[in-house]
Amino acid sequence: NAGVTQTPKFQVLKTGQSMTLQCAQDMNHEYMSWYRQDPGMGLRLIHYSVGAGITDQGEVPNGYNVSRSTTEDFPLRLLSAAPSQTSVYFCASRQDGNEKLFFGSGTQLSVL
Amino acid sequence: AQSVSQHNHHVILSEAASLELGCNYSYGGTVNLFWYVQYPGQHLQLLLKYFSGDPLVKGIKGFEAEFIKSKFSFNLRKPSVQWSDTAEYFCAVNERTNAGKSTFGDGTTLTVKP
Repeated sequence: NAGVTQTPKFQVLKTGQSMTLQCAQDMNHEYMSWYRQDPGMGLRLIHYSVGAGITDQGEVPNGYNVSRSTTEDFPLRLLSAAPSQTSVYFCASRQDGNEKLFFGSGTQLSVL
Repeated sequence: AQSVSQHNHHVILSEAASLELGCNYSYGGTVNLFWYVQYPGQHLQLLLKYFSGDPLVKGIKGFEAEFIKSKFSFNLRKPSVQWSDTAEYFCAVNERTNAGKSTFGDGTTLTVKP
């Protein structure tokens, strides 16, 4: 059971470039989410999804898009990368509101 | 909107000292409460959780937390810390619905000196 798989682990972008962070889970979880972690700011919710075809914004959605075409996958797209998006990104999933989040191993993104 | 506040940003303790990390939340409805730990270079792992029942919950590695509803608090405690407890600790709140978001506090960095 692989759990939550995130790729890539590291990425360097130039300002204005676009890219997609991949997230897949094999636990049949309905709820998936993306967080960014910055020093002293904890984990801030970017977008989340409660099932295939359903997405919603979190605290800091600007500059990011998501889609949920399948239960397993929840990619995060940076449309035009900015230095302010330099961060560590975590994908997480859970079965329902009573359960803990399962986290991916993270993506360290640097935007120059 | 719900929010989570962790009052201690950085705590430094010597081994065998007692630990208490504060967590307060703001939300009008029913919530589930969690503490996660992130060891250096790793992703977050669950320490303990509270859904209902006994407000004193015990987790892994000797950690416990007490839910005080009247104070909207869920403080984390450990009677005697070890060097291996050096990590970042996050309090989190789930709205108690399947669609409920998980909101995290800013985190507390714990450094335990040997």
